[in-house]
Amino acid sequence: GEDVEQSLFLSVREGDSSVINCTYTDSSSTYLYWYKQEPGAGLQLLTYIFSNMDMKQDQRLTVLLNKKDKHLSLRIADTQTGDSAIYFCAASYSSASKIIFGSGTRLSIRP
Amino acid sequence: NAGVTQTPKFQVLKTGQSMTLQCAQDMNHEYMSWYRQDPGMGLRLIHYSVGAGITDQGEVPNGYNVSRSTTEDFPLRLLSAAPSQTSVYFCASSSSGTSTDTQYFGPGTRLTVL
Repeated sequence: GEDVEQSLFLSVREGDSSVINCTYTDSSSTYLYWYKQEPGAGLQLLTYIFSNMDMKQDQRLTVLLNKKDKHLSLRIADTQTGDSAIYFCAASYSSASKIIFGSGTRLSIRP
Repeated sequence: NAGVTQTPKFQVLKTGQSMTLQCAQDMNHEYMSWYRQDPGMGLRLIHYSVGAGITDQGEVPNGYNVSRSTTEDFPLRLLSAAPSQTSVYFCASSSSGTSTDTQYFGPGTRLTVL
């Protein structure tokens, strides 16, 4: 079945760029998402990209999609302490009931 | 708007006990869902509803029941709790459940089954 994989941890220095990577298995995924989860809170949608796009930029966030390699990345420019969180990659086919989540990448920021 | 609210925030049960996790939203969303989050795993869909009176199973429905008698509320029932149901439970809602609708998540209920 569909699978979404991410590395579990990433540590970056404050002010540097963070790049969180994700791979998915099903090429029929139509939407790919990035969610952020802060401690003790639910998931918050950061951004999503449609599968016919290569890139989407929103302020400090850049999403890159390599559909051939089924690889998605989230780049956070000028990483701040407030960016510390778990970031989930997710893929869907057609509806919210078909969203498959990755296991999440814990981003920690060091001074 | 309060968004998506969940109660309780924490709960400890003994094996075999039953309980209901409450979820409510005040955004008039048609689509509501329940997920569980386990360490090292992504969220897994338990049950979902596309409107009042309509529910369906997700990826891991066994051991859980749901009902949707109103648009606002979507309770999740554990009939006979098991240690394998120890998890963090999230309720979510969106306008219509399509892929481009933003899903709004509640703050979660941390459940421990002894």
